[in-house]
Amino acid sequence: NAGVTQTPKFRVLKTGQSMTLLCAQDMNHEYMYWYRQDPGMGLRLIHYSVGEGTTAKGEVPDGYNVSRLKKQNFLLGLESAAPSQTSVYFCASSATSGGQETQYFGPGTRLLVL
Amino acid sequence: GDSVTQMEGPVTLSEEAFLTINCTYTATGYPSLFWYVQYPGEGLQLLLKATKADDKGSNKGFEATYRKETTSFHLEKGSVQVSDSAVYFCALSRRGRRALTFGSGTRLQVQP
Repeated sequence: NAGVTQTPKFRVLKTGQSMTLLCAQDMNHEYMYWYRQDPGMGLRLIHYSVGEGTTAKGEVPDGYNVSRLKKQNFLLGLESAAPSQTSVYFCASSATSGGQETQYFGPGTRLLVL
Repeated sequence: GDSVTQMEGPVTLSEEAFLTINCTYTATGYPSLFWYVQYPGEGLQLLLKATKADDKGSNKGFEATYRKETTSFHLEKGSVQVSDSAVYFCALSRRGRRALTFGSGTRLQVQP
């Protein structure tokens, strides 16, 4: 059981380049999330999805776009990368929502924008 | 808004020492509280959780009690091992909100 997987594990971009981070889960979860983790700060929510074909903004959505074309996949896109987007990105999924559910996390993608 | 405050690290202990990592929170209503652990090079894993006041979450020798009167959820373990070396995150979740609110994390280093 793979759980939540993320690709790539590490990427270096130049300012202005674009890229897509892929998240996949094999637990048939409805809810999926993208977080970023920065030094000295907890994880912050970028975007989330409550089901196939739906997405919504989180706490820090600027500069990112997402798509959920298939239930098991959640893509995070950077159209024009900026150094401020250097971070570690975590994807998560959960079966339900509403306060008590457990979120399952992927191993993370480390992104460096020069 | 919601917030979670954790003690700053790193916390360095010798094997078999007693561990406490403090966590306090600010939130309206009755949040659920979580401890997640992140081992080197891995994603976050749920360690334990508590969903109402006075509940005690426990797992792998770790414990935390939901104290509403002090808005705290301190993590404890009686005897740490080298394999417990990781970053520990306290987090809360409220009904009606999609995201978890995380603390900044506390790095634990256990020396043999």
